[in-house]
Amino acid sequence: GENVEQHPSTLSVQEGDSAVIKCTYSDSASNYFPWYKQELGKRPQLIIDIRSNVGEKKDQRIAVTLNKTAKHFSLHITETQPEDSAVYFCAARLTGGYQKVTFGIGTKLQVIP
Amino acid sequence: NAGVMQNPRHLVRRRGQEARLRCSPMKGHSHVYWYRQLPEEGLKFMVYLQKENIIDESGMPKERFSAEFPKEGPSILRIQQVVRGDSAAYFCASSPPLQCGDLFFGEGSRLTVL
Repeated sequence: GENVEQHPSTLSVQEGDSAVIKCTYSDSASNYFPWYKQELGKRPQLIIDIRSNVGEKKDQRIAVTLNKTAKHFSLHITETQPEDSAVYFCAARLTGGYQKVTFGIGTKLQVIP
Repeated sequence: NAGVMQNPRHLVRRRGQEARLRCSPMKGHSHVYWYRQLPEEGLKFMVYLQKENIIDESGMPKERFSAEFPKEGPSILRIQQVVRGDSAAYFCASSPPLQCGDLFFGEGSRLTVL
């Protein structure tokens, strides 16, 4: 089955700096890579995703990149703000007739004011 | 359009009791997933269901745990004879058919076993 590795597990940045979270996946058949943000005590929420036919996608201060050859993808947050503090999960989906999504272990991001 | 609804939000059980967690997917969604999250840990896949079918239960413990998604009504995750190690947040997510893995999560059910 698919295996998703994520690092770092914790990340502290000063407000205004950039944050980068990296993930690798094992199954080259995976073709969909969402990122979820989970604030303390709340549910994971989809913040951005990328599909395997695209190398990069941007949405305001958030961008994701995908390298299919190397099987890794990254989340970039620029101009970080205290409200960006949360746990971020990357995920990968296997293709086929069924839609299991495998998550990374999560990165706890702390933005220091 | 109401989101994914889970209940109860919090559940306290003593060791040996049964826990039943319910999940109503978003309207129009026919796929339901259950994930378990231990404190300070990631989301562990448990089971994936469609109406009246268990598609993948590879992440669910073989004993004491079961899940169903009947033709009518919510999906239910049932844990029999709970132990302290079952204390966790259980998240349900749903997705529409023929979509590429867009998961929408409920608020979770937090189980505490005393």
